[in-house]
Amino acid sequence: DIMLTQSPATLSVTPGESISLSCRASQSISTNLHWYQQKPNESPRVLIKYASQTISGIPSRFSGSGSGTDFTLNINRVEPEDFSVYYCQQSNSWPYTFGAGTKLELK
Amino acid sequence: QVSLKESGPGILQPFQTLSLTCSFSGFSLGTSNMGVGWIRQTSGKGLEYLATIWWDDDKYFNPSLNSRLTVSKDTSNNQAFLKITSVDTADTGTYYCTQRDWGLYYFDYWGQGVMVTVSS
Repeated sequence: DIMLTQSPATLSVTPGESISLSCRASQSISTNLHWYQQKPNESPRVLIKYASQTISGIPSRFSGSGSGTDFTLNINRVEPEDFSVYYCQQSNSWPYTFGAGTKLELK
Repeated sequence: QVSLKESGPGILQPFQTLSLTCSFSGFSLGTSNMGVGWIRQTSGKGLEYLATIWWDDDKYFNPSLNSRLTVSKDTSNNQAFLKITSVDTADTGTYYCTQRDWGLYYFDYWGQGVMVTVSS
């Protein structure tokens, strides 16, 4: 199975900061990488598909980049509602796998 | 508008069989290219993709649980089903169903999730 390693595990920031979250794959997955946000007691919500493609209804402050093994989710000027857990997921190989998540918390 | 909702037993004992139902609206498993996927979230393994059932009854199972998983569907009633045999405490977690669209490999629509606890 392809392993996805997310870093950092926890990131403490203040609203208004711009941040980057990392997801590294154990082998090349082209751009078959998707990002999700999960708030407490909610289902995950897709933010970015295929590494950098936007999803309708998602705020423009969220963006993604990368290909191969290294991927980044960027949040431009974090808003209070952004404090949650972020996951990456690969769809290059079966079985699809998820990273362990990065928790974005209020400093 | 797509909507999904999982239902299940809540609590079961080790070695029992877990049976979950996904009831959905806004799409049909009688339509080409439609499917339902099952994902769980456990404290031990985090988010884990379990299985998919497609409109044509094709099925895919995560090899790590392959022998324990069964998926089926009731097209007329817009339901999909997941069974996991011989559960243990490691199967405790929240189980989600998702809409699948052939050719799209991310998950746009999720159910609210159902909590399952395995305990003696």
